[in-house]
Amino acid sequence: DTEVTQTPKHLVMGMTNKKSLKCEQHMGHRAMYWYKQKAKKPPELMFVYSYEKLSINESVPSRFSPECPNSSLLNLHLHALQPEDSALYLCASSQDRDSQETQYFGPGTRLLVL
Amino acid sequence: QKEVEQNSGPLSVPEGAIASLNCTYSDRVSQSFFWYRQYSGKSPELIMSIYSNGDKEDGRFTAQLNKASQYVSLLIRDSQPSDSATYLCAVLDTGRRALTFGSGTRLQVQP
Repeated sequence: DTEVTQTPKHLVMGMTNKKSLKCEQHMGHRAMYWYKQKAKKPPELMFVYSYEKLSINESVPSRFSPECPNSSLLNLHLHALQPEDSALYLCASSQDRDSQETQYFGPGTRLLVL
Repeated sequence: QKEVEQNSGPLSVPEGAIASLNCTYSDRVSQSFFWYRQYSGKSPELIMSIYSNGDKEDGRFTAQLNKASQYVSLLIRDSQPSDSATYLCAVLDTGRRALTFGSGTRLQVQP
């Protein structure tokens, strides 16, 4: 089973709202990722968690706040977003054991900021 | 800046033909390479991974890697209309555990 789940599938929020995206995997993977994908562009890395610790933040604005409550869950808290933050937000996971590991993506959350 | 380059396409092939998708990468020490397929509005789906020079076959798909030329390709045999999608080449930055994606090649298989 290589399933990564994400909720919600779609989200519309205003610039003053606070919302959270959720990601879950039960493959025993120890690395989890957030990517952002704008229309007709490739995914771009935002954050990497390795063994529940934040290991990479790709200079993401503080209005995006990641959280990894345990090895199976990854959240992305959103606050005071801008319309240009509208995108497909992808969660991925991998074993984080060697250089040949594969990242598996969830279905994504399509976010629209009004 | 580590870069992954792909032709954006569209690459149009007739049904039943071989589709050839190409990718070059800039980081000479890269060891892990992936092809993902992405349908419009969906998330990337892993098609193939390849780590050693040469060919790797899985059904109708063959990945080819040439580390000396820093070149990765994906061949799709007997192309079907359902193969019409954007194909993303990705290279793993081992130190950061992060994928760098090419811009993707849009493949259109004409019935």
